[in-house]
Amino acid sequence: GQQVMQIPQYQHVQEGEDFTTYCNSSTTLSNIQWYKQRPGGHPVFLIQLVKSGEVKKQKRLTFQFGEAKKNSSLHITATQTTDVGTYFCAGGGTSYGKLTFGQGTILTVHP
Amino acid sequence: NAGVTQTPKFRVLKTGQSMTLLCAQDMNHEYMYWYRQDPGMGLRLIHYSVGEGTTAKGEVPDGYNVSRLKKQNFLLGLESAAPSQTSVYFCASSYSKFSGGYNEQFFGPGTRLTVL
Repeated sequence: GQQVMQIPQYQHVQEGEDFTTYCNSSTTLSNIQWYKQRPGGHPVFLIQLVKSGEVKKQKRLTFQFGEAKKNSSLHITATQTTDVGTYFCAGGGTSYGKLTFGQGTILTVHP
Repeated sequence: NAGVTQTPKFRVLKTGQSMTLLCAQDMNHEYMYWYRQDPGMGLRLIHYSVGEGTTAKGEVPDGYNVSRLKKQNFLLGLESAAPSQTSVYFCASSYSKFSGGYNEQFFGPGTRLTVL
C-alpha cells in the first residue's frame, strides 16, 4: 500500500533559525496536505498542494510539491516559539478522501 | 458550530472490556474518519466512511468496528480491548472530494484510551 515517510522525526532549533521537514511517498500522489499539531492538541490543517512543482507560502512558511508528485517539504524561516509542535504531511492517492499520514516531525524551539 | 466533538475525552479499560467512542460533527460533512496516534507512528487510519450507512477499512482495522447510522455520527467500537489498543484516538471529517484535490480534514479533540 501507499507509504509516506517523513524526516526528521525530531528537530531542535534556536529561535530565529530556519526549519525544514521532508515528506516522501512510495507512490505518486494526487495531492499533499500539511497539518500542525500543538502539544496536547489535535491536528489542524495548514495547506494543500495539488499541482506538480507547486509552491505556496503562508507568511514564514513555504510549502513545495515535487515535480514527480512523490515528495514535499515545509520550510519555516526564522522560527518562533509559537511554531512549536508536530508537523504532519498527508498524501492523497486514488481512494476518495483517504489520506496517508507521515510519522510527523516534532519541532522544539529554544528561546 | 461545535465542529467535531468526541466522547469521552479519557477512558481506562481492563483487558477484555468493550467500549464505544462517539464522534459527532455539525458541518454536514460526507466523509468521516477514525485515526489512532502513537508515539513515532504518526496518524494511522483505522476505518473511514464516505457517507451515511457506508464504512471501509483503513490501515489498522483489526480489533475495531465502526458504524455510521446517521450522517453526523461515526462510532468506533472495541469489542475486547487489548493493551496494544492503548492510544490517542482522533476522529475527523471532511467534505467529499472535489475536482483537483481533496478537502481538508477537521479533527476532534481526541480520546485518550488506556487499556490495562
